[in-house]
Amino acid sequence: EVQLVESGGGLVKPGGSLRLSCAASGFTFSKAWMSWVRQAPGKGLEWVGRLKSNADGGTTDYAAPVKGRFSISRDDSRNTLYLQMNSLKTEDTAVYYCTAFPYCSGVSCYPGVDYWGQGTLVTVSS
Amino acid sequence: EIVLTQSPATLSLSPGERATLSCRASLRVSSYLAWYQQKPGQAPRLLIYDASNRATGIPARFSGSGSGTDFTLTISSLEPEDFAVYYCQQRSNWLPWTFGQGTKLEIK
Repeated sequence: EVQLVESGGGLVKPGGSLRLSCAASGFTFSKAWMSWVRQAPGKGLEWVGRLKSNADGGTTDYAAPVKGRFSISRDDSRNTLYLQMNSLKTEDTAVYYCTAFPYCSGVSCYPGVDYWGQGTLVTVSS
Repeated sequence: EIVLTQSPATLSLSPGERATLSCRASLRVSSYLAWYQQKPGQAPRLLIYDASNRATGIPARFSGSGSGTDFTLTISSLEPEDFAVYYCQQRSNWLPWTFGQGTKLEIK
């Protein structure tokens, strides 16, 4: 059974930092391209960023609102994805979802399968 | 950044009726478009990928069409469990992989 379990959310003051984790199981994590998607309370979905597998270069891409403040990394030995969030703003308040594309190779992934965690809430408030 | 505009914002229909949801992209995305369903308190679920392919386990009443800039999600006969929010997402080579703002499908 595939599982993505996020943790690390909570309340943080503006300007603070937080690191989210996503523990993966049930698929070959090292081959998956991983991403984070967030959803502000009562709002729509927003793509945060992506990390390719190390075999495919291990490169990252970020959405403009978080570029330079957020960093995505992975530990394939622990089957865990991370999101380091610095210089947090009130507008970063959201549920953060970890997502996986498990079937990737080269420059693309099979788009017909993706996995989502249940999300972790980050609240940025003074 | 490619902007996806979904319409209508809210769609009020009854079970058994046909639902047609629209997603328009600000630039051509070929067929690299997906549709998701989200119910309250749940993570989104992939319904359609590459504009017209149903994901595994998705009932045949869900279908997608379109290419380029105009896309449609059709639910042929609404079941009670279909009332939810639907999002489109473009997955072209243009990053970021943006989402539309969503269409809420509610019971009339």
